[in-house]
Amino acid sequence: KQEVTQIPAALSVPEGENLVLNCSFTDSAIYNLQWFRQDPGKGLTSLLLIQSSQREQTSGRLNASLDKSSGRSTLYIAASQPGDSATYLCAVYGNAGKSTFGDGTTLTVKP
Amino acid sequence: NAGVTQTPKFQVLKTGQSMTLQCAQDMNHNSMYWYRQDPGMGLRLIYYSASEGTTDKGEVPNGYNVSRLNKREFSLRLESAAPSQTSVYFCASNLAGAVNTGELFFGEGSRLTVL
Repeated sequence: KQEVTQIPAALSVPEGENLVLNCSFTDSAIYNLQWFRQDPGKGLTSLLLIQSSQREQTSGRLNASLDKSSGRSTLYIAASQPGDSATYLCAVYGNAGKSTFGDGTTLTVKP
Repeated sequence: NAGVTQTPKFQVLKTGQSMTLQCAQDMNHNSMYWYRQDPGMGLRLIYYSASEGTTDKGEVPNGYNVSRLNKREFSLRLESAAPSQTSVYFCASNLAGAVNTGELFFGEGSRLTVL
């Protein structure tokens, strides 16, 4: 059974700092991996999708990498801002709609 | 640009009552999903529909039924609600077919409390 772990569970940084969020998974037979952002009381907003054949994706200040063989993905946030404060979740997708989500990392960026 | 729309946003039920959560997407996506989110349990897949006319069980299907009414709409029904079904329910969709390779889009969620 696929298991997804996100460490740390919570992170607090000063504004302007670069940071890395981690996601690890136990079964490397995945089709893709997706990073989401969730604000309190809201739904999940897609940030980046990495196909299994890709190693990284970039969008603005965000860069996500994928190493299938080691079962790891990282989300790099450059020059963090208070508006980046949210919970960040990763999800991996296997056969026929099977998805597994991590519990998320709650990020607080202090002004 | 509605995306994925869920109704209702909030609902309180008594044990044993029934209700249906509605979900509609306007992105012409093939696949639709229902998840529940609970503290400490993360997001868990209840049911999914890989394409119009098909539905399959996910990780936690017991106590739920689904209907893929057409390509746009996917409903989740609780026939006899239990307190253990108190949760936040999310509908999602993507363009992928039988295998999940497309970017997943979520609705805003439906917060259900069962007393």
